[in-house]
Amino acid sequence: GAVVSQHPSRVICKSGTSVKIECRSLDFQATTMFWYRQFPKQSLMLMATSNEGSKATYEQGVEKDKFLINHASLTLSTLTVTSAHPEDSSFYICSARGGSGYTFGSGTRLTVV
Amino acid sequence: QQQVKQSPQSLIVQKGGISIINCAYENTAFDYFPWYQQFPGKGPALLIAIRPDVSEKKEGRFTISFNKSAKQFSLHIMDSQPGDSATYFCAAPRWGTGNTPLVFGKGTRLSVIA
Repeated sequence: GAVVSQHPSRVICKSGTSVKIECRSLDFQATTMFWYRQFPKQSLMLMATSNEGSKATYEQGVEKDKFLINHASLTLSTLTVTSAHPEDSSFYICSARGGSGYTFGSGTRLTVV
Repeated sequence: QQQVKQSPQSLIVQKGGISIINCAYENTAFDYFPWYQQFPGKGPALLIAIRPDVSEKKEGRFTISFNKSAKQFSLHIMDSQPGDSATYFCAAPRWGTGNTPLVFGKGTRLSVIA
């Protein structure tokens, strides 16, 4: 089945620094990947849609200069949280449509201190 | 605007009982209706999914019932077990077809007690 690998699983960073999260499709090509954010005890909220070779599409209210998305190949999309602040602490999850449905990464727990 | 409305918010079921979670949708263009299971600290995992051309799909202890006219679909977990304790999300593709993101319900926290 379609597998999406996401790294790192956990990261702690200091306020003001940047963090990069990688999402790879292992056994299929993902021309499009989706990035979600999930706060504790809440649902998954779509942040942006990442398209290979073109600019990402951001949801309303998501700062594109803060959450930089790069989708340079058919198997890799990255999300960089720039100048992170404590309010950016959350669970970030990527997803792609592969096989017979949608596959999700295992998520990245970001804690900004 | 909430495109998929999920209920209940939380559910407590005795071991061996039936867990039922409901989801209502608005967009008749939706063509794929999945249920995801999520354990704490993990990404959501596909549990079972249905397309609108069938009214029911069963996989082991998990069944989706789909009512197109009512624009509702539900998840039934038979013989619920403590290991089923997790958060469940219904979802649907935002624009119905194509490479579109999933939109999620608010989730149901299921607790199965012995």
